[in-house]
Amino acid sequence: DAGVIQSPRHEVTEMGQEVTLRCKPISGHNSLFWYRQTMMRGLELLIYFNNNVPIDDSGMPEDRFSAKMPNASFSTLKIQPSEPRDSAVYFCASRPDRGRLDEQFFGPGTRLTVL
Amino acid sequence: GQQLNQSPQSMFIQEGEDVSMNCTSSSIFNTWLWYKQDPGVGPVLLIALYKAGELTSNGRLTAQFGITRKDSFLNISASIPSDVGIYFCAGPTGSGTYKYIFGTGTRLKVLA
Repeated sequence: DAGVIQSPRHEVTEMGQEVTLRCKPISGHNSLFWYRQTMMRGLELLIYFNNNVPIDDSGMPEDRFSAKMPNASFSTLKIQPSEPRDSAVYFCASRPDRGRLDEQFFGPGTRLTVL
Repeated sequence: GQQLNQSPQSMFIQEGEDVSMNCTSSSIFNTWLWYKQDPGVGPVLLIALYKAGELTSNGRLTAQFGITRKDSFLNISASIPSDVGIYFCAGPTGSGTYKYIFGTGTRLKVLA
């Protein structure tokens, strides 16, 4: 079974541009998480979806960030307009709602560089 | 707010040596998780701990849930080159079963 799939793996953009990161969770997983990882702040939870519904978006830095999950197999994280301080690795993770609830399966990440 | 501090921040060891790292919290946790992140990929769960004093092994890895519930330890025995990576501790924060705070990470390099 394929793991969590993220695209693109690398993104370089200029300040002010819109950036869209994509995630396909593991089939059958009901929960989806978006994280941001930086050297300064470590791994931070941005938003959590359960059954395609946003449950907790308190980690979203500001209105420039938005996330959607239109169906169980796809989610996007959008930054508009992007700023240099948004440069980070963005991870998507998924988890089933049964079994060991604390194990999240992370994707390979998208490394975003905003110039 | 809650913080998880890991030490050491980084370590260089010779292949075959044992490794010890720890994670301390400013508050009590009921669960401790240890993840490993290989270069260029996302973290992978290694060990989960659920009870104070619990000692759990996964191959050459052994983790312990501190009896104060404010710390946890991870040991790697007979290190090999593929142990290279960043090791994170994590614990649940807030209510519910979804929100975890991650530690600052211990970066491990193994010299062959």
